[in-house]
Amino acid sequence: DGGITQSPKYLFRKEGQNVTLSCEQNLNHDAMYWYRQDPGQGLRLIYYSQIVNDFQKGDIAEGYSVSREKKESFPLTVTSAQKNPTAFYLCASSLTRLAGDTRNEQFFGPGTRLTVL
Amino acid sequence: ELKVEQNPLFLSMQEGKNYTIYCNYSTTSDRLYWYRQDPGKSLESLFVLLSNGAVKQEGRLMASLDTKARLSTLHITAAVHDLSATYFCAVDISGGSNYKLTFGKGTLLTVNP
Repeated sequence: DGGITQSPKYLFRKEGQNVTLSCEQNLNHDAMYWYRQDPGQGLRLIYYSQIVNDFQKGDIAEGYSVSREKKESFPLTVTSAQKNPTAFYLCASSLTRLAGDTRNEQFFGPGTRLTVL
Repeated sequence: ELKVEQNPLFLSMQEGKNYTIYCNYSTTSDRLYWYRQDPGKSLESLFVLLSNGAVKQEGRLMASLDTKARLSTLHITAAVHDLSATYFCAVDISGGSNYKLTFGKGTLLTVNP
């Protein structure tokens, strides 16, 4: 089955610790995204990547870092510089215009719930 | 800065009734998306609206887009309990070039028997 997987489902972080959230897709999508969702809020874009080895900051990139070494993978590191990391993190992917797609429909993974202890 | 506003943010309705959720946005766009989220779950794509006047229907849900008014609506017909969820609209103002979506805060829909 094609889809997007995220791991772990739940993650607990101690103060001052860096943690990495995994996102993998086998949909052959070029573009991948990381969003943060806080209770009662919409999604806010952290980082996105349209091709391998390239990524751009979203609206709330401070305290986060990403890499895109493979088309299938887009891990997110929440660093100790992120002062309020407790949230639900969602990864998404989509085709791009280069692939002949004009819809830019984003498909989401199941999410990782991060809690700071 | 693009603003996407949904209203109402909370909607409690009885089974069998009709209602409409509104999504207003502040900058020109011809691409709008509706998603559904169940509690503690991920987002599920419902509709992709790509042009002025676009209308899509799936079951008891119908979405429309008026790009001149910068308004999309999600109409619920004869609501059933299974429709209880949070509904988000999202807008792409990039013309499809950089794939950034801006989401509304969501409408929490509760359908009561």
